[in-house]
Amino acid sequence: GAGVSQSPSNKVTEKGKDVELRCDPISGHTALYWYRQRLGQGLEFLIYFQGNSAPDKSGLPSDRFSAERTGESVSTLTIQRTQQEDSAVYLCASSLRQSAEAFFGQGTRLTVV
Amino acid sequence: GDSVTQMEGPVTLSEEAFLTINCTYTATGYPSLFWYVQYPGEGLQLLLKATKADDKGSNKGFEATYRKETTSFHLEKGSVQVSDSAVYFCALSDIGFNKFYFGSGTKLNVKP
Repeated sequence: GAGVSQSPSNKVTEKGKDVELRCDPISGHTALYWYRQRLGQGLEFLIYFQGNSAPDKSGLPSDRFSAERTGESVSTLTIQRTQQEDSAVYLCASSLRQSAEAFFGQGTRLTVV
Repeated sequence: GDSVTQMEGPVTLSEEAFLTINCTYTATGYPSLFWYVQYPGEGLQLLLKATKADDKGSNKGFEATYRKETTSFHLEKGSVQVSDSAVYFCALSDIGFNKFYFGSGTKLNVKP
């Protein structure tokens, strides 16, 4: 596709359940980022993938959060045993290393009830 | 570490007023600087960027100049419109590491 695609666009889950969020980056983009945006707040960095290098996981808030990326394609962000404070919009972005310009998906709105 | 600080909002202006949203940064290398905009109900979009000192990014009447001496990248527009109402995010990227750091966002409300 032409842009970064995220699915699902909305997810409502019960507290304690696991969720998986998916991101399809722009083809050829070597870098991929996950951010979290709580209601009315800024972007909180979660994790960064660059090619085949080890990911930068420094922003993951707890060990309930994990992410994987297969090569330079799809990434999944997994949240285990969801809590109400995990409710937020999860944004994915991708970029070419050379251009250093990030393109964002529309986000997944996660609501934990 | 690298970071971005931008003025807190919300900023409320009347249509045709002059806009400034302040942004300063801290970086160890030579970052590229960006302004992203998030319109209500939409995703983030790149508004403008500057990749080296003294560069001016511009788009849709908005401008920002990369000032290395003051480590700033303030966003300006001479005459805002109601349609400019959105949240604006300042960001930097260190080319060497290709990570993005975002400010907390500034909400702009423009009243007719």
